[in-house]
This record gives sequence, structure tokens and C-alpha cells, in this order.
Amino acid sequence: DGGITQSPKYLFRKEGQNVTLSCEQNLNHDAMYWYRQDPGQGLRLIYYSQIVNDFQKGDIAEGYSVSREKKESFPLTVTSAQKNPTAFYLCASGTGAYEQYFGPGTRLTVT
Amino acid sequence: KQEVTQIPAALSVPEGENLVLNCSFTDSAIYNLQWFRQDPGKGLTSLLLIQSSQREQTSGRLNASLDKSSGRSTLYIAASQPGDSATYLCAVPYSGAGSYQLTFGKGTKLSVIP
Repeated sequence: DGGITQSPKYLFRKEGQNVTLSCEQNLNHDAMYWYRQDPGQGLRLIYYSQIVNDFQKGDIAEGYSVSREKKESFPLTVTSAQKNPTAFYLCASGTGAYEQYFGPGTRLTVT
Repeated sequence: KQEVTQIPAALSVPEGENLVLNCSFTDSAIYNLQWFRQDPGKGLTSLLLIQSSQREQTSGRLNASLDKSSGRSTLYIAASQPGDSATYLCAVPYSGAGSYQLTFGKGTKLSVIP
């Protein structure tokens, strides 16, 4: 069963703690992406990676970090430097033809 | 910079009605256009992908058209059902290519009333 998995579905953290969101894909896609979705704001790109061991900042990378050690995995760390981390986080993977497929999302709540 | 607009932001229709969702983009030099569906609290589901060389793409009751010259795409839903209620987003590749990024519209929230 091919697809993208994100875990956990819901995540609760205290302010000041770092937290890591998992994203795994078995579609054999080279590119992977992290988006943040807030009500009324649409999807905003945080980081993306086109190949293993390489990644680029998106529009709102401040306060976030990523790694891409394996083709299948692209974890996102939300650091304590992120001012408003509470949001819905979506991971996607894509082919070289500008087509993207999305995971089910992780809802992060920081209090 | 590519900008994508979807109007209206919300739409409510009675069950059985045919409807059209609109998507416009500012840079017509696109490679393709993708329509997605998002249910509340869920990820995006890809519905249709139209290549720049195509004018239409169909899947079941859904038909998407693309007019690059005018910077528009429409998603036609025939015989709407309550299960079609969701937010529909369109996305086009980011101008300045090479990075495979997409620019998304903010979506149209569709409610189909039984």
C-alpha cells in the first residue's frame, strides 16, 4: 500500500520544548515538502528537499529544522524559537513533474 | 511571483445541482495545474492534474478545464452530493522553476445541502 504517513496525528507540547514530527513515504519520490496550514492563511511552505542530504528553506522556515538522511523520511523539528507553533502540519512528496501527494497531517498544539 | 486566487471562498448548493469552482493564476507559463480536496482535519487528496498541453481532464463526476492564456481553471462537479462537501484547492508550480514547489490558492469551501 503506497502512501505517505505522518505521526502522530495529534501532538501536545509545552511552550519552550522542541518537538519532532514524523513523515515517511513509500512512493519512491525524490522530493518531499513540509507545509503549515492556519485558518484563513492557506498552505505555506516551510522546507523542501529534492534529494537525500539536501534541503532548502521555504517561505516560513524560521523556528523550524529538517533532515533528509533517507529518501523515505523527512522529519520536521519545531523548535522553541518558533513564535506561533500551534498549527496543522502537512507533509507531501512529489515527482519531478510538479505533482504532489499529501499525508494525513499532524495537529500540533503548544500551550 | 505566482499568485493563485479562488473565488468564492465558500459556496453552498442543494444536492443534485451542477456547480463550478474557479481558480485563477497570474503567471500563465505553468507546467500543469492540480486540484485537491481537503476534508476537515485531514490531508489533501489529489483529484485531477491537468498538464499545460491539455484543456480538460475528467474523473467520474469531476471535470477540470485549463485556459492558460487567460490564467484560469475551473472544476466542474456534476450532480453534487452531500459527500462532496469539503474544501477544494488548486495549485500551480512556483514561478522560477527547478524546485518543484507549488503555489496554492486558499480554497473554496463547498457545502452540499441534502
